[in-house]
Amino acid sequence: ETGVTQTPRHLVMGMTNKKSLKCEQHLGHNAMYWYKQSAKKPLELMFVYNFKEQTENNSVPSRFSPECPNSSHLFLHLHTLQPEDSALYLCASSLNGAGFPNQPQHFGDGTRLSIL
Amino acid sequence: QKEVEQDPGPLSVPEGAIVSLNCTYSNSAFQYFMWYRQYSRKGPELLMYTYSSGNKEDGRFTAQVDKSSKYISLFIRDSQPSDSATYLCAMMDSGGSNYKLTFGKGTLLTVNP
Repeated sequence: ETGVTQTPRHLVMGMTNKKSLKCEQHLGHNAMYWYKQSAKKPLELMFVYNFKEQTENNSVPSRFSPECPNSSHLFLHLHTLQPEDSALYLCASSLNGAGFPNQPQHFGDGTRLSIL
Repeated sequence: QKEVEQDPGPLSVPEGAIVSLNCTYSNSAFQYFMWYRQYSRKGPELLMYTYSSGNKEDGRFTAQVDKSSKYISLFIRDSQPSDSATYLCAMMDSGGSNYKLTFGKGTLLTVNP
């Protein structure tokens, strides 16, 4: 497998459920990102990990909890979500956290999350 | 005022048309300007990037940046049905947090055969 793989592709959950989103990259990158994409809104950066260390938390509510056990895997643990959290959650990776254009961010295809 | 403004469209053109996609921005610190293409049910992929002002051409695609007007454009020549996608502009400054991209909302483009 190559690129950035996200699972599951679709997730429906109730507000009291606990679930996790998984991201795996096979590109040898060291930086990984979580983004939220809502309808009619720009992509919003949520978290950044560089060499397994969290370097950015963009004021994300604590009901979203990221985990990066190694440079190839990134998780987003979800609990007690709200209806407004329904969105497409995208994972991306880049060679390192510098993020210069010649080290672009490669995106996965996202997890479509629906909160009932 | 939002940092990056992008008309969401939708934009519908016939095959072979020249397409012009645009973004305006307010943050004069932005130095890197990117265009991403996102097909339906897929993640964004980097199409082109430009540093500072000027033009950059890649095949049928041309990116233009006018920093004095805080305006960027993507032109698609001889548009094809396979170009149908959402096009996202993104920008980045050259400061310390240089991994942070600021995106526009995206423009949905349909090229009709």
